[in-house]
Amino acid sequence: AQRVTQPEKLLSVFKGAPVELKCNYSYSGSPELFWYVQYSRQRLQLLLRHISRESIKGFTADLNKGETSFHLKKPFAQEEDSAMYYCALTGANAGKSTFGDGTTLTVKP
Amino acid sequence: GAGVSQSPRYKVAKRGQDVALRCDPISGHVSLFWYQQALGQGPEFLTYFQNEAQLDKSGLPSDRFFAERPEGSVSTLKIQRTQQEDSAVYLCASSPSGTWNIQYFGAGTRLSVL
Repeated sequence: AQRVTQPEKLLSVFKGAPVELKCNYSYSGSPELFWYVQYSRQRLQLLLRHISRESIKGFTADLNKGETSFHLKKPFAQEEDSAMYYCALTGANAGKSTFGDGTTLTVKP
Repeated sequence: GAGVSQSPRYKVAKRGQDVALRCDPISGHVSLFWYQQALGQGPEFLTYFQNEAQLDKSGLPSDRFFAERPEGSVSTLKIQRTQQEDSAVYLCASSPSGTWNIQYFGAGTRLSVL
């Protein structure tokens, strides 16, 4: 079975501070991991995926297979980063994605 | 089209009514997904199509839920004899062939069952 856990429902940081949103997964195989973001009154959209190994809007995420984690990091948070963030996993059955319950990030001025 | 379109945006149903939710994927997208999102939770997989073939319906919670995509484009999620626990946001996503698993989401349909 595939499972995604985001241990923090809410995360609040000040502008300019580093931020890390945690994601742990359970999957017996080689998963593909994603971070999706939902800004206020907008639809869910892809932020980044581990296979691309790229930085989007200053965010990075490294897949740690030993710790089964895919934490999302940004060194200097901005107010516009305030949003709901979801970690998601797709396994060998490429169609089915499993999402975590999300973390609401608030970046205070 | 510009993006995945879902209709209606809001639906209020009396318990026991049947409802039909529509999803128009991005033109040319091969894969189509349905998710159910309860308040305070993440999207939960319901079913998945590749063109007109329903390849996975393991997430459909009961036989009251039925999805189809007869011509490989527009999809309809039908819920028969709605129950209060069916109240949720229903999300549709589509994915182009060759872009492995990047899903583009619609705005969702919020279903309230009274």
